[in-house]
Amino acid sequence: DAKTTQPNSMESNEEEPVHLPCNHSTISGTDYIHWYRQLPSQGPEYVIHGLTSNVNNRMASLAIAEDRKSSTLILHRATLRDAAVYYCILMNYGGATNKLIFGTGTLLAVQP
Amino acid sequence: SQTIHQWPATLVQPVGSPLSLECTVEGTSNPNLYWYRQAAGRGLQLLFYSVGIGQISSEVPQNLSASRPQDRQFILSSKKLLLSDSGFYLCAWSVGSLAGADTQYFGPGTRLTVL
Repeated sequence: DAKTTQPNSMESNEEEPVHLPCNHSTISGTDYIHWYRQLPSQGPEYVIHGLTSNVNNRMASLAIAEDRKSSTLILHRATLRDAAVYYCILMNYGGATNKLIFGTGTLLAVQP
Repeated sequence: SQTIHQWPATLVQPVGSPLSLECTVEGTSNPNLYWYRQAAGRGLQLLFYSVGIGQISSEVPQNLSASRPQDRQFILSSKKLLLSDSGFYLCAWSVGSLAGADTQYFGPGTRLTVL
């Protein structure tokens, strides 16, 4: 499974944008880039995913580099409720199903 | 809308005792189902997944087993718990039909402490 590299932790101020980077230099042409986040004592929550083009949804934006070797999750205005561990995961349909292989993620702290 | 339930929410069990954790999904048919474990301070580890009734794939050799007796029911079991089985157990489901673009939806989890 292709691996991703993320900073262990980042800090942001409330109501400011946050850019969470992810490197995936060994990504294959059919790997989708997924982002999930996990709030304390909860299960992970889907945030966004993309393949080649930038993506936007109500939670965040995903900017994908042209060579697809890196991506950035953008939270446009961080709130205290965005404090969580953010996971960048590559998903490829393999065998019978898609599998999420979680790394250690980025712990985002949001300061008021 | 779809919902996923897990119970119990918390569990404290002695070493050597059996375990049964249950996960059920509502509002969808023939989902893919997954069991993950998160040890304290660690990332999530995929334990089992199932693409249909009676079909179980194990990702990691361990002291646990899984079963899927009904379409939307997934059970995680152990005959004899070890201390190392302590952790946060999460069940998830997905549609399973979108290659590479499948989204997984997680339940609230069961926090298991083995003493």
